Amino acid sequence: ETGVTQTPRHLVMGMTNKKSLKCEQHLGHNAMYWYKQSAKKPLELMFVYNFKEQTENNSVPSRFSPECPNSSHLFLHLHTLQPEDSALYLCASSQSGGIQETQYFGPGTRLLVL
Amino acid sequence: AQTVTQSQPEMSVQEAETVTLSCTYDTSESNYYLFWYKQPPSRQMILVIRQEAYKQQNATENRFSVNFQKAAKSFSLKISDSQLGDTAMYFCALKGSGGSNYKLTFGKGTLLTVNP
Repeated sequence: ETGVTQTPRHLVMGMTNKKSLKCEQHLGHNAMYWYKQSAKKPLELMFVYNFKEQTENNSVPSRFSPECPNSSHLFLHLHTLQPEDSALYLCASSQSGGIQETQYFGPGTRLLVL
Repeated sequence: AQTVTQSQPEMSVQEAETVTLSCTYDTSESNYYLFWYKQPPSRQMILVIRQEAYKQQNATENRFSVNFQKAAKSFSLKISDSQLGDTAMYFCALKGSGGSNYKLTFGKGTLLTVNP
């Protein structure tokens, strides 16, 4: 596979469930990102990892827990979510965290919290 | 703080015609990058074009071009010879050289529909 992949593409979970979103990039990049896309709102940056180190946590609730075991993989662990957390979760990667770097996005995971 | 404003929530254009999507932004940085991303119904966010603020020449990628007016903080996207596959949500984004070099700030998007 090429580019940035995300699994699952769709996820329905109850508020008491625990689930994980997975992102994998095949571009040789060193920076990875999680974004949340809700209806009628701009994309919101959630987390940034640069060379496996978390460099940004944009005031995200603790029910979202990221994990970056290596530069190619990024996870978002979910637990005790709320219905307002239903959204499209997008993963992105870039060569590094530099200003000149373009971010490339995955296809997203559509999450519905019941 | 950086802001990006897209004032046109929806637009439509006939196939083969030209359409321009508007974007204005605000930043206190002197060095920054601007991007247009396209998100079709498949939800894959795809880079369309990018512009470096220190370059005066407008970026062009095939049928896509920008009109970058730095003083006015305007960054519009022109799509020539529109095709049905151009139907998508288009997002304008800004990346500044502030404390968080990597932070992309997005506008709310413009939904473009290309009609046959």
